[in-house]
Amino acid sequence: LAKTTQPISMDSYEGQEVNITCSHNNIATNDYITWYQQFPSQGPRFIIQGYKTKVTNEVASLFIPADRKSSTLSLPRVSLSDTAVYYCLVGGVPSSASKIIFGSGTRLSIRP
Amino acid sequence: ETGVTQTPRHLVMGMTNKKSLKCEQHLGHNAMYWYKQSAKKPLELMFVYNFKEQTENNSVPSRFSPECPNSSHLFLHLHTLQPEDSALYLCASSQREAMNTEAFFGQGTRLTVV
Repeated sequence: LAKTTQPISMDSYEGQEVNITCSHNNIATNDYITWYQQFPSQGPRFIIQGYKTKVTNEVASLFIPADRKSSTLSLPRVSLSDTAVYYCLVGGVPSSASKIIFGSGTRLSIRP
Repeated sequence: ETGVTQTPRHLVMGMTNKKSLKCEQHLGHNAMYWYKQSAKKPLELMFVYNFKEQTENNSVPSRFSPECPNSSHLFLHLHTLQPEDSALYLCASSQREAMNTEAFFGQGTRLTVV
């Protein structure tokens, strides 16, 4: 199971673009990169998933360099409601190491 | 609304009580999960069921007993719990058991053991 490393916390202000980087040096060929968002006392919510280069949806963008050893979740023009914990997960096809395992995540705080 | 419903939302139980948590999904998924989240801690995977078969028991104490009667329902039976078992218990489902599938989570059950 690829180990991920993210900053413990980040602060930003409303209207700014926020980039959260996740390191996953031992990512395997079949592994995808998935990001979840969790608000207090709620279950995590899927944000975005990618394999390589760039993925964009209505919520965020995910940038993955060619070596895939890291990825960056980009949240454009954040608001107070984006205050949450963001988790980076790496894994692939079904196997004994493909359980949906969450790390410590990044606690993002947005200020007015 | 994620399509995964957990009941009850809140539960207070004594250490000698027996209670059950219920999870139901209407997404047609084949994999279901129980997670535990203690205060300010990461989610801990407890159990995984894939096509009604248990495929993961992450060294969970026997006072927690899962049951998956069909692909849409998942239960967590609780008995003789300890105060340190107080936590948010989250149920999730996914199309299949794999990291590259999107998992849908319920709102959770906030359990307090007194």
